[in-house]
Amino acid sequence: DAGITQSPRHKVTETGTPVTLRCHQTENHRYMYWYRQDPGHGLRLIHYSYGVKDTDKGEVSDGYSVSRSKTEDFLLTLESATSSQTSVYFCAIDGASGTPDTQYFGPGTRLTVL
Amino acid sequence: AQRVTQPEKLLSVFKGAPVELKCNYSYSGSPELFWYVQYSRQRLQLLLRHISRESIKGFTADLNKGETSFHLKKPFAQEEDSAMYYCALSGQSTRLGGGADGLTFGKGTHLIIQP
Repeated sequence: DAGITQSPRHKVTETGTPVTLRCHQTENHRYMYWYRQDPGHGLRLIHYSYGVKDTDKGEVSDGYSVSRSKTEDFLLTLESATSSQTSVYFCAIDGASGTPDTQYFGPGTRLTVL
Repeated sequence: AQRVTQPEKLLSVFKGAPVELKCNYSYSGSPELFWYVQYSRQRLQLLLRHISRESIKGFTADLNKGETSFHLKKPFAQEEDSAMYYCALSGQSTRLGGGADGLTFGKGTHLIIQP
């Protein structure tokens, strides 16, 4: 499973509450990604990181921020959660050098915003 | 802009029948195409990437640049093939030094294999 873990695995929170999801990798890979998965939309890229302190926005970045202070951890923060952010969130890392665009996924975090 | 289209939300076939999951893409450069599979409530797993031309679990996919398609095929479906299948595209990085800017996914096809 490519050494990727996510925490928490499940979370229920209330509208307006800040939420932070954590992705941890043991592979020492450079690229990390956050996606959200919604029925009828597939997976959509939220933010990604191409190194420590280097991040960029994806397709659906509004309402989300990220941080990467060390190679192994990539944090996704919802500053003020809304019901539209109820989703399953997947973290991914890139493949080994030579296959940077092949991605391996974490187990997901199911977030419910009431 | 890059786009991936999977026209079938749901595909139901009988065990032993051939399976074809369609994927079309829109991209101006030379894309990398992938198929990912997600079994019930599990993480996504890489099934195929076009550049490796492998056959995994009996599935194959051929990139057709003329038709901008990357359909997934299997000659004889098995019950354990029931899952969500996602086609994905990786475009060329906009950054110096290359790397991967993230995948663009289709909306997925739910494949059900009936006994």
